[in-house]
Amino acid sequence: AQSVSQHNHHVILSEAASLELGCNYSYGGTVNLFWYVQYPGQHLQLLLKYFSGDPLVKGIKGFEAEFIKSKFSFNLRKPSVQWSDTAEYFCAVNRPGRRALTFGSGTRLQVQP
Amino acid sequence: GAVVSQHPSRVICKSGTSVKIECRSLDFQATTMFWYRQFPKQSLMLMATSNEGSKATYEQGVEKDKFLINHASLTLSTLTVTSAHPEDSSFYICSASGLDGRQETQYFGPGTRLLVL
Repeated sequence: AQSVSQHNHHVILSEAASLELGCNYSYGGTVNLFWYVQYPGQHLQLLLKYFSGDPLVKGIKGFEAEFIKSKFSFNLRKPSVQWSDTAEYFCAVNRPGRRALTFGSGTRLQVQP
Repeated sequence: GAVVSQHPSRVICKSGTSVKIECRSLDFQATTMFWYRQFPKQSLMLMATSNEGSKATYEQGVEKDKFLINHASLTLSTLTVTSAHPEDSSFYICSASGLDGRQETQYFGPGTRLLVL
């Protein structure tokens, strides 16, 4: 079965620090990859997505992610985090024939001022 | 654009009653909507896929007679938790599938917190 792993469960950073959140998936075929963010008390919002093409994807709010097919990874990065980035981050995957998303367990990011 | 609403946002009910949750795509049509369940400090787990005009497809382990899904129009799907029990207390989130350019993307509603006493 398809699975998504997020190894960082809770990350604490100071403002201006760089961020990288890991995401690995288990499916070997063609996949679509997503990062969603859930700010406290709010609903899931799409940060960025990868379907095909340039493996380096830029999203909203300065986030980017790189798809590395050989590593089955889609890590999320931001060069300099802000206090307002404090949120829960979810990596998700779907594929042709399985449109529903499979989510990772989420990473709680806490940015300290 | 691509806004999805859910109603109610929060509901408390007595054990044995039924609760209906609505999911609406406000500014786009969605032939497919998805229902997820999220337990505290856990990820979203897919419950079922709701297709407009046809029966929902349920994930393994999800009781279709307990969680009734109706997708009567291109902008509305409903989830009814029948004969709710305390173990059904959870956060229920829907998403609607829409096109962003040529890429199918899911847009999420704000969720409904259900507490069964």
